[in-house]
Amino acid sequence: GAVVSQHPSWVICKSGTSVKIECRSLDFQATTMFWYRQFPKQSLMLMATSNEGSKATYEQGVEKDKFLINHASLTLSTLTVTSAHPEDSSFYICSARDLGDSLINSPLHFGNGTRLTVT
Amino acid sequence: AQTVTQSQPEMSVQEAETVTLSCTYDTSESDYYLFWYKQPPSRQMILVIRQEAYKQQNATENRFSVNFQKAAKSFSLKISDSQLGDAAMYFCAYGSNYQLIWGAGTKLIIKP
Repeated sequence: GAVVSQHPSWVICKSGTSVKIECRSLDFQATTMFWYRQFPKQSLMLMATSNEGSKATYEQGVEKDKFLINHASLTLSTLTVTSAHPEDSSFYICSARDLGDSLINSPLHFGNGTRLTVT
Repeated sequence: AQTVTQSQPEMSVQEAETVTLSCTYDTSESDYYLFWYKQPPSRQMILVIRQEAYKQQNATENRFSVNFQKAAKSFSLKISDSQLGDAAMYFCAYGSNYQLIWGAGTKLIIKP
């Protein structure tokens, strides 16, 4: 089955530093990847849609200069949290859609998530 | 705009019993998809079952089945013969244009 690898699974960083999270589709090509944020005991909040070779589309209220997204290839998208602050601490999940599949056949494949803690 | 509502923050069921999780949604579209995802403590999102809106027949996957009422915009999940491994957060999701809109989730507790 399709696998999405997300790295790192957890990271602790100091306030003011930047953190990069990688999302890779291991055995399929993904023109579109999605980045979610999940607060404790809450649902997934879509942050942005990452499109290969073009600028990401950010949801309302998400700072694009704060959360930099790069989707340089059909198998890799990265989310960089710049100048991280404690309020950025959260669980971040990426998902990817297989280039060749419809939504019903392969709705979305999820990474295992990254727990970010900013001290 | 589409919305998804899960009115049960938490449900509990005795092992081997049956439990139904509720989900309602709002949309003006006629062609869409509905999904139930499971998120165990590992936080991995796992697809449980999916339903195409144009299909009247309710989807079934082993112990998991849905009751899809399109007119009522209702999409409930029934878990039969509940097992300890079913304990997780369950999210209902509405899908169109390859994006998913998520409900708030229901925490399912299995009592041994």
